[in-house]
Amino acid sequence: AQSVSQHNHHVILSEAASLELGCNYSYGGTVNLFWYVQYPGQHLQLLLKYFSGDPLVKGIKGFEAEFIKSKFSFNLRKPSVQWSDTAEYFCAVNPPYSGAGSYQLTFGKGTKLSVIP
Amino acid sequence: DGGITQSPKYLFRKEGQNVTLSCEQNLNHDAMYWYRQDPGQGLRLIYYSQIVNDFQKGDIAEGYSVSREKKESFPLTVTSAQKNPTAFYLCASSRQGAKFPDTQYFGPGTRLTVL
Repeated sequence: AQSVSQHNHHVILSEAASLELGCNYSYGGTVNLFWYVQYPGQHLQLLLKYFSGDPLVKGIKGFEAEFIKSKFSFNLRKPSVQWSDTAEYFCAVNPPYSGAGSYQLTFGKGTKLSVIP
Repeated sequence: DGGITQSPKYLFRKEGQNVTLSCEQNLNHDAMYWYRQDPGQGLRLIYYSQIVNDFQKGDIAEGYSVSREKKESFPLTVTSAQKNPTAFYLCASSRQGAKFPDTQYFGPGTRLTVL
């Protein structure tokens, strides 16, 4: 079955360490890509998105992600994490439009990030 | 403030009872969605609606029902037929969702516990 994979279930980092969270998808064709973040007790929020254009996308709070079409990947990066980045991160993909309905969003299972002060 | 509201925040239900979760948006968005979030499972789509009086089943619609009588409202009923209803339910909306990709915005969620 076509899917979105986040390889790390739980990542633990010290403050100031660099972060890279992996996301791979299995859909062919044109896709749209998103990273959402869920801070403890808060709404799911959009971090960044890629629809077209420059494959290096910058989002809020210093996050960025790179779309590599040949690798079906959209990895999330941050050069130096802070304690306040502790959250759960979800990669999501709009598969190619099937014509049967709306652009549905398929989510990965999420990666919990714990940043140690 | 524009946004999506969900109520209640916490909901307890006895087995065999139906329960309705509320979702309201004042963003003037056409499309609305219901997801279920379980630990380690990500978000899974239950139902979505592209326009008033229209809705479609998502990946896990069994045991759930919805209505879309008003643009701003998309209530979800968890019926007694849902075998494992204890979960965190998230409502989302997007400006357009039919033939154009768009960002989905999420509400704060309702945590349902079946006793």
